[in-house]
Amino acid sequence: DSGVTQTPKHLITATGQRVTLRCSPRSGDLSVYWYQQSLDQGLQFLIQYYNGEERAKGNILERFSAQQFPDLHSELNLSSLELGDSALYFCASSSTVNTEAFFGQGTRLTVV
Amino acid sequence: DQQVKQNSPSLSVQEGRISILNCDYTNSMFDYFLWYKKYPAEGPTFLISISSIKDKNEDGRFTVFLNKSAKHLSLHIVPSQPGDSAVYFCAASEPYGQNFVFGPGTRLSVLP
Repeated sequence: DSGVTQTPKHLITATGQRVTLRCSPRSGDLSVYWYQQSLDQGLQFLIQYYNGEERAKGNILERFSAQQFPDLHSELNLSSLELGDSALYFCASSSTVNTEAFFGQGTRLTVV
Repeated sequence: DQQVKQNSPSLSVQEGRISILNCDYTNSMFDYFLWYKKYPAEGPTFLISISSIKDKNEDGRFTVFLNKSAKHLSLHIVPSQPGDSAVYFCAASEPYGQNFVFGPGTRLSVLP
């Protein structure tokens, strides 16, 4: 158990809908990362927050947004969903930047 | 353009032998490198890391070697065990890096 909790584990939704994925980092970790893994692809960095502030953005679509709350949990919002958004979405946390990140079990999103 | 490359999508090794997984990078600013292992339907698990001030780091059966001039790192697993069968991701970050850049992964199969 990495200590990073992601909910829900599975999500099935229709095209055009909006979903929210939730991540609780390890206790004490200030940095939260979101990654997307499409079918048999590598891990694509989406966005990073550090202590409530956005720190870095990767290949995140404009339809996607995220935030980190004062209690350090983070949410990834995906809107106007398309079939191609079906993927595993991972959250990871680390205590500071440039230290190893620990991953949650992921949320499998299926858009139908 | 992929900044972190793992040119072997898959590798098969006999149990008890050495597994060598390779990773190349193009960004000379990277100074911290990590290896993660991923089983199906689970999040990546941190294995071992190395900073650019070292050329080798060992942890039990796992050793990571870094060749900065060649922009190459490798993960050695000795002896390989069937439970090591998984996808291995190489990742890298810049100093005070805001995110980890992952390679596409190498699927290791350790045959009994």
